[in-house]
Amino acid sequence: AQKVTQAQTEISVVEKEDVTLDCVYETRDTTYYLFWYKQPPSGELVFLIRRNSFDEQNEISGRYSWNFQKSTSSFNFTITASQVVDSAVYFCALSEDETSGSRLTFGEGTQLTVNP
Amino acid sequence: DAGVTQSPTHLIKTRGQQVTLRCSPKSGHDTVSWYQQALGQGPQFIFQYYEEEERQRGNFPDRFSGHQFPNYSSELNVNALLLGDSALYLCASSLTTGVPYEQYFGPGTRLTVT
Repeated sequence: AQKVTQAQTEISVVEKEDVTLDCVYETRDTTYYLFWYKQPPSGELVFLIRRNSFDEQNEISGRYSWNFQKSTSSFNFTITASQVVDSAVYFCALSEDETSGSRLTFGEGTQLTVNP
Repeated sequence: DAGVTQSPTHLIKTRGQQVTLRCSPKSGHDTVSWYQQALGQGPQFIFQYYEEEERQRGNFPDRFSGHQFPNYSSELNVNALLLGDSALYLCASSLTTGVPYEQYFGPGTRLTVT
């Protein structure tokens, strides 16, 4: 069975600090996809990134970066120079199905609060 | 280009009643998935519809049922509501032959059962 663990329930930082959100996953499949979503107070899930299990290259997109390590089954997300607008709940998710729109298994989420 | 829309935005029902939630997928999408998100938790997969049939189902009782219409819109029905059904219900749409794993989520319907 697949499982996603986000051990950090809440994180509070001051604006311009760097912050890392942890994600650990469990799966028996060798082919799988990992995701990060942002959920602002409005409730809509906003897609941030998708990585497949064969691509362990780290990725950077502006202030966001992701570190994927298969050896430790982790897919951590770092926000550099955080801003108040980054305040939201962030979810890590896993999918083992290669079809489009396949079911996602989400972690419990990390509530990030960035204070001015 | 309209994204995924859901109605209603909020809903209050009494225990034992039945409820119907609606979802219109993003233009061009043919697959709809439903998720339940209890307060303080991550979304949980309920089921997915494609070509008007249920294609995948999560670990939810038969009280949860759905339907997909020829125009790809979908309904989620919950019978005999329980207090524990109170949650945000999210709809996600995708194109089965499209980019793998590309899904778009709607804003959700917040259901409160009293």
